[in-house]
Amino acid sequence: NAGVTQTPKFQVLKTGQSMTLQCAQDMNHEYMSWYRQDPGMGLRLIHYSVGAGITDQGEVPNGYNVSRSTTEDFPLRLLSAAPSQTSVYFCASSPTGDPGFGYTFGSGTRLTVV
Amino acid sequence: GESVGLHLPTLSVQEGDNSIINCAYSNSASDYFIWYKQESGKGPQFIIDIRSNMDKRQGQRVTVLLNKTVKHLSLQIAATQPGDSAVYFCAENYPGNTPLVFGKGTRLSVIA
Repeated sequence: NAGVTQTPKFQVLKTGQSMTLQCAQDMNHEYMSWYRQDPGMGLRLIHYSVGAGITDQGEVPNGYNVSRSTTEDFPLRLLSAAPSQTSVYFCASSPTGDPGFGYTFGSGTRLTVV
Repeated sequence: GESVGLHLPTLSVQEGDNSIINCAYSNSASDYFIWYKQESGKGPQFIIDIRSNMDKRQGQRVTVLLNKTVKHLSLQIAATQPGDSAVYFCAENYPGNTPLVFGKGTRLSVIA
């Protein structure tokens, strides 16, 4: 099925561990982004990419790295997890950087850092 | 003590009534606005959008109103149904193909 696929759906990490949240889309969308969602805080942008090889920081980039080697994939890396990174993470894609074409969201990854 | 910001504003509506969800946006230069619906355990889904050159747009059972003077956006849902229970977010787009900026959300609870 076409759409945005996020893996894993759930993850528990210990403080200091590293991991990569995967995001893949099969719609040939140029634009991809990562948001985190905390209770009562809405969605906050972590990083985004307007195309393969191009990434940029969002509102809350600290503690996260991204790369975009292909159009399809946009992984989010936590190099040294902290309890403050406990959150639900959403990946979104769009045909272009113009939100007027609509964002498609994945179903999210719920991350707990203990 | 209670942490600020943990609790979403909640709107409780009787089934069949109309719902109005409000949003104050931050940037007077924003030129595009979207409402998203997020059901429990799922990602946000597009409901309706509006550009800044309009003040009203209607969809199926939903209407978005834009008041640029006071930077206010509202989503009206007609004949609210139990399936409308969700968290609703407004999002604004600054000019120049920048990423969407989301509001904090409102929880809609439909009472059957």
